[in-house]
Amino acid sequence: EVQLVESGGGLVQPGGSLRLSCAASGFTFSSYWMHWVRQAPGKGLVWVSRINSDGSSTSYADSVKGRFTISRDNAKNTLYLQMNSLRAEDTAVYYCVTAMVGPGAFDIWGQGTMVTVSS
Amino acid sequence: SYVLTQPPSVSVAPGKTARITCGGNNIGSKSVHWYQQKPGQAPVLVIYYDSDRPSGIPERFSGSNSGNTATLTISRVEAGDEADYYCQVWDSSSDHQVFGTGTKVTVL
Repeated sequence: EVQLVESGGGLVQPGGSLRLSCAASGFTFSSYWMHWVRQAPGKGLVWVSRINSDGSSTSYADSVKGRFTISRDNAKNTLYLQMNSLRAEDTAVYYCVTAMVGPGAFDIWGQGTMVTVSS
Repeated sequence: SYVLTQPPSVSVAPGKTARITCGGNNIGSKSVHWYQQKPGQAPVLVIYYDSDRPSGIPERFSGSNSGNTATLTISRVEAGDEADYYCQVWDSSSDHQVFGTGTKVTVL
């Protein structure tokens, strides 16, 4: 079964850091581009970042560029999101997603992990 | 940055047809994907590449895209279709994925 399982969320103070992980299983992880998408409570979906299959290319939303770093370990079938200088507006459920049916069409989603930035 | 605009809400009676629009500058030149999200759940892809349906998605769901508007159509609406719906495209100029503002579909 194709599966993405996020972990690492929690409560962090403004200005703090957190690293999210996403464990992939049931498919050839190293062949697929991976993305992070977030959703603030009661709000819509927002794309955060993506990384290509071998980790050599990344892209970030303007709101997180310079603060967040996406990476992957294909040997461990794991995607990461290092989040630094966290702000209250980063509070959201963070989803790990990929597109197996075709580029950009996110057909595989994790269950999400909640990040709360608050003092 | 590229912006996708959706109506905040659409109401429809059971058995009728719901149409959800997604407006963007020359969106007809892009590939549009649609997601359904029910409360407390991760989104589910219901239409990709404008009009293709993933395996397991009912034929009642269809999509079109032309000019400045893409449309998700839900025929013979059922109570279980009540959810939030989002459109999404890739903006090649920024290499960013962009989601629409979302539409809440209420089944009367």
